[in-house]
Amino acid sequence: EPEVTQTPSHQVTQMGQEVILRCVPISNHLYFYWYRQILGQKVEFLVSFYNNEISEKSEIFDDQFSVERPDGSNFTLKIRSTKLEDSAMYFCASMLGGAGTEAFFGQGTRLTVV
Amino acid sequence: DAKTTQPPSMDCAEGRAANLPCNHSTISGNEYVYWYRQIHSQGPQYIIHGLKNNETNEMASLIITEDRKSSTLILPHATLRDTAVYYCIVSFVLRGNKLVFGAGTILRVKS
Repeated sequence: EPEVTQTPSHQVTQMGQEVILRCVPISNHLYFYWYRQILGQKVEFLVSFYNNEISEKSEIFDDQFSVERPDGSNFTLKIRSTKLEDSAMYFCASMLGGAGTEAFFGQGTRLTVV
Repeated sequence: DAKTTQPPSMDCAEGRAANLPCNHSTISGNEYVYWYRQIHSQGPQYIIHGLKNNETNEMASLIITEDRKSSTLILPHATLRDTAVYYCIVSFVLRGNKLVFGAGTILRVKS
């Protein structure tokens, strides 16, 4: 069964460093998403991406964050100058699109900023 | 997107049916009801979704009331592995609209 895969599963970085989280969405899907979940809190929407551009972003997704789909298969989230409060689980999701289709999530990357 | 209301937690005996309710009284005509679950800190797992009619798949059944203002997710024979946070989400995803997660219901299946 097709699945969304994320790498790495765990990333430890020093405050102020840049990190890139990687995702391989399901191959024929058209819509891509990043969510995050701080320990003990809700799953929060960060950004959605369609047709090689951002279609929606949340207030969390400020200039520190960027996304791209560099090669038609990978979907990346870059966090520049990481802060302690960026420590969270980051989930990638993809959706085929169309009324009533469902999104599938990856298993997440645990980002720890020290 | 319409908001949903779920009980914060529920218990269920292993082997029995787990019935998880969700209220979505402000749902609009083109919004679907989606159910996901999250086990520990794993990625949310899709369970089932529906618009008007009741739906069933290998994991669960979804019962939507005729007025669509509430729904119930049914896990027919709960196992310990079904212990998770269950999220009821209402969304119209025609153009890839995001899913908005609430606090969900913590389901504890006990032996």
